[in-house]
Amino acid sequence: EAGVVQSPRYKIIEKKQPVAFWCNPISGHNTLYWYLQNLGQGPELLIRYENEEAVDDSQLPKDRFSAERLKGVDSTLKIQPAELGDSAVYLCASSLGGDRATEAFFGQGTRLTVV
Amino acid sequence: SQQGEEDPQALSIQEGENATMNCSYKTSINNLQWYRQNSGRGLVHLILIRSNEREKHSGRLRVTLDTSKKSSSLLITASRAADTASYFCATVSSGGSYIPTFGRGTSLIVHP
Repeated sequence: EAGVVQSPRYKIIEKKQPVAFWCNPISGHNTLYWYLQNLGQGPELLIRYENEEAVDDSQLPKDRFSAERLKGVDSTLKIQPAELGDSAVYLCASSLGGDRATEAFFGQGTRLTVV
Repeated sequence: SQQGEEDPQALSIQEGENATMNCSYKTSINNLQWYRQNSGRGLVHLILIRSNEREKHSGRLRVTLDTSKKSSSLLITASRAADTASYFCATVSSGGSYIPTFGRGTSLIVHP
């Protein structure tokens, strides 16, 4: 079974440019998360989806970040415009949902460098 | 915000020794999960322990949970060089949304 797939793996952009990340969760997983991980830190939640509905997005900086999960499957996370401080690893994860006792499965992440 | 606090921040041991990492948290939980992260395989789920459980085993891993002290420990027995990684605890609160909230992690180095 394929795991959570993210692309691209690496991205280098200049500040003020837009960037987008893509995530394909495990088939059948209703819950999808986007996390941000800075060097030496644990992942921090940006947004959580239940199917196509964003149910937890209080940590998403909405002035520059946006996300969507059309049809409740794939998801994209966009930053426009990017700032130097956005350099981090962006992780996507999915879980079955509907049951708090299920683990999350993570993709390999996208390492973003803003120069 | 980060709910769990792992201790120690870094741990260096020899192959064959046991490694113990601790996690303390602040709010009531539904469950607590441990994850491992290395450059090769990303963030991987290791074990989940529910709030009504006190101990779980999986292979060389042993996890304990003390809800009265709001703490958990992860024991890796007979460590191997391949266990070198960062280990994170993630808590899921008993109320509100199901969101695994991660600590800062423990960096484990196992010397061959």
